[in-house]
Amino acid sequence: DAGVIQSPRHEVTEMGQEVTLRCKPISGHDYLFWYRQTMMRGLELLIYFNNNVPIDDSGMPEDRFSAKMPNASFSTLKIQPSEPRDSAVYFCASRYRDTFTDTQYFGPGTRLTVL
Amino acid sequence: AQSVTQLDSHVSVSEGTPVLLRCNYSSSYSPSLFWYVQHPNKGLQLLLKYTSAATLVKGINGFEAEFKKSETSFHLTKPSAHMSDAAEYFCVVSEAGGTSYGKLTFGQGTILTVHP
Repeated sequence: DAGVIQSPRHEVTEMGQEVTLRCKPISGHDYLFWYRQTMMRGLELLIYFNNNVPIDDSGMPEDRFSAKMPNASFSTLKIQPSEPRDSAVYFCASRYRDTFTDTQYFGPGTRLTVL
Repeated sequence: AQSVTQLDSHVSVSEGTPVLLRCNYSSSYSPSLFWYVQHPNKGLQLLLKYTSAATLVKGINGFEAEFKKSETSFHLTKPSAHMSDAAEYFCVVSEAGGTSYGKLTFGQGTILTVHP
């Protein structure tokens, strides 16, 4: 299996622009998670999906952030408009089942820089 | 609620010497515990996990961790450090119940430096 795939790996944009991050989970996994990693706050869960349905978006920082999962093999995280404080590494992860013991597998991340 | 505290933000060892990365957790339910490693500019890779079976868990690359419920600890060890072990390590808890069921809570990370 190719693992969790994220694109782009690096994104540099200017404040006010729209940014779209993409994720392809591991085939057969029912759960998909979006995380943000910053020096100040560490790793934070933004939102997660089960069978393409958003379950918990309490970690999404504000209305400028939105996430979708139109099918089992694709998800997007969109920031509109972007701000310099959104600069971070964004990780996508997927998991097979709804058990607390199951492993989440992480993608390589997208490093976002907002100028 | 669940939480994780990694007691050292930085650990520095010499190659060939033992590694100890400390982690304490708090959980309202019987948790699962994980250690992930992140090499520079890479994603997170699972090292090992505890899921209420054996309290001593062996992982990849010679790492192991011991779950001690009485001490609420899950320290990561390796007998002999290798240069390739230099990375950031995250202790993670996944709770078995409540509103945090199945969610991961990450520690702040420990950066391991290995000197030749």
